[in-house]
Amino acid sequence: NAGVMQNPRHLVRRRGQEARLRCSPMKGHSHVYWYRQLPEEGLKFMVYLQKENIIDESGMPKERFSAEFPKEGPSILRIQQVVRGDSAAYFCASSPLPGTGSRTQTNTEAFFGQGTRLTVV
Amino acid sequence: TQLLEQSPQFLSIQEGENLTVYCNSSSVFSSLQWYRQEPGEGPVLLVTVVTGGEVKKLKRLTFQFGDARKDSSLHITAAQPGDTGLYLCAGEGGSYIPTFGRGTSLIVHP
Repeated sequence: NAGVMQNPRHLVRRRGQEARLRCSPMKGHSHVYWYRQLPEEGLKFMVYLQKENIIDESGMPKERFSAEFPKEGPSILRIQQVVRGDSAAYFCASSPLPGTGSRTQTNTEAFFGQGTRLTVV
Repeated sequence: TQLLEQSPQFLSIQEGENLTVYCNSSSVFSSLQWYRQEPGEGPVLLVTVVTGGEVKKLKRLTFQFGDARKDSSLHITAAQPGDTGLYLCAGEGGSYIPTFGRGTSLIVHP
């Protein structure tokens, strides 16, 4: 299966602990997005990365949250000192380089993983 | 910030009925995607529309992009229980970041 892989699927953390969420993009995709979803809500953009670069982190809280997409290995979303309000489903999506392939210049199709459900107790 | 409004928020219908859900914005989008999400799973891409006025069909699903590329609709003919899920639209306006609506939650009863 060459789809977007996220792990773990479920993560339980006590308040104050760190949460690390991993995402391996689809083969050939160099762009990764992280989104957060609460019940009855849509997907809220957090951060957009390409290999070794953060392109846009305007949706990510400036404190306690960080993201990286190293040259080798998966993208990581890290939440330090978790609080109950961090409980949510976190989704990663990957996309090929915008403007490449058979799509138009500005078409962006994102392919999602199954998500990590974080519960803070 | 480009906002996408989806309506209705909830829809509960019987098997065999037809339905239409809407995705509207005041902003122009370069492209717009429709996704379906089932409980406990990630969104699955259904279609991408790019050209104003474009119509795409996927079996019983018909997608239309507005002429001005500010809105879109999804029409399902003869809905089946397997169509149950959260339908999300996402637009991209040049930033390469898909912006999502809150979705329409559809339940199709047997």
